[in-house]
This record gives sequence, structure tokens and C-alpha cells, in this order.
Amino acid sequence: SAVISQKPSRDICQRGTSLTIQCQVDSQVTMMFWYRQQPGQSLTLIATANQGSEATYESGFVIDKFPISRPNLTFSTLTVSNMSPEDSSIYLCSVERASGGADTQYFGPGTRLTVL
Amino acid sequence: AQSVAQPEDQVNVAEGNPLTVKCTYSVSGNPYLFWYVQYPNRGLQFLLKYITGDNLVKGSYGFEAEFNKSQTSFHLKKPSALVSDSALYFCAVRLSGYSTLTFGKGTMLLVSP
Repeated sequence: SAVISQKPSRDICQRGTSLTIQCQVDSQVTMMFWYRQQPGQSLTLIATANQGSEATYESGFVIDKFPISRPNLTFSTLTVSNMSPEDSSIYLCSVERASGGADTQYFGPGTRLTVL
Repeated sequence: AQSVAQPEDQVNVAEGNPLTVKCTYSVSGNPYLFWYVQYPNRGLQFLLKYITGDNLVKGSYGFEAEFNKSQTSFHLKKPSALVSDSALYFCAVRLSGYSTLTFGKGTMLLVSP
């Protein structure tokens, strides 16, 4: 498995501001992922972050709104920019590890964001 | 495109009884199937996965899941439920060779004492 930490664990923010979420992994990984879980909903992939290259965004998500950094193989940040109440969600990072013949994603504890 | 269906929003079971949480999938190719559990105010925890081989896979906390290719299903089971099993369960699928996971909408499991 993997030990993944996220900061902050939760935050309450004002409309129009930005929040940067950090994700730290206990050992080096190639691929890191950022997901959004809106209230009462399933997980939606925002983007895939590989070290040394630009993040790859899924349909409906853009870099200006969700800029991502991946400075090394154990760390990534996701910024939620110019926030609105619709951005209130749990944001989760995950990493992929080879396990039992196939790569498996392991998740951090999540960051619960409330935008007022 | 790949998709996952979890037809039940909620499953209620009494402690000690067997439980089943249903999952069906659609994917063009060989699927890799996963179950995750989310406890309140926690991230997702990996439970088990099917890659190939034996259709019955065993995972953490006494859970198991049965892969049925003809029915495109991957139901999660446990012979004897515990109150502490109460949580939100997600089924997920991806194609072999690709990393993008697609999640079902989740099923809330409530185990009563």
C-alpha cells in the first residue's frame, strides 16, 4: 500500500479566493491523481500528475481553475482557484503502486472544502 | 467508454447476517475491478481487486468478491456482517494497461446491531 497525507484536512473559504492542497507520499511514485467528490456523489478524476511533465486534465476540468504542481516524485499540489460554492467538495489525491500483478490506486484522507 | 453501476443506494443488513453489495460494469476489453470503502470523514481504503485467474477474490476485513464475466458483475460479499462494516462502498473499473479508474456512485452499507 502507500502512506499518503494531505493538508489541510478541511477548510472553509470565501468566494473568489484560492486554496492550495498538498499531497505527500511516503515513497517515490510515478503517477499521482487528483479527484473531486462532490456532496453525496462519487469520485470524479480531475487530472493525472506525472513528475516532469504537465498534468493531464479530464474533460470538464481546466488548468486555469485547477493548477497542479508535481515538483518531485513524492509531492504534488492542487490549487482550487477563484472558488465558488459549487467547488465545495472533498478533494482526494491518490497514487498508483504495483501490487499483485497490477497497479492499484491508494488514496489520501481527503481535504474537505467548504466555500461560502 | 467504461462504466460502473451500483444499483443500490443503500443496503441494510443485521449484524451476523451475510451481506452483498452489487456492482456491474461495462468495458471494452479485459477489466480490472476494484472495491474501495470510505468511512465517515475518511479517504478511500482499498479492499480488493480482480485482475485475472480465480473468479473469487479475497480482501481485507473478511470481504470477498466474485467476478462473473457472463453477467459482467463483481459483487462484494461477506459471510457475517459487523456493525463496524457500516460505510460507503465504491466499485471501480479500468482497462488492463490503462490507469484511469471509473467509479460507481457508491452504496451505503448499514449494519444494525
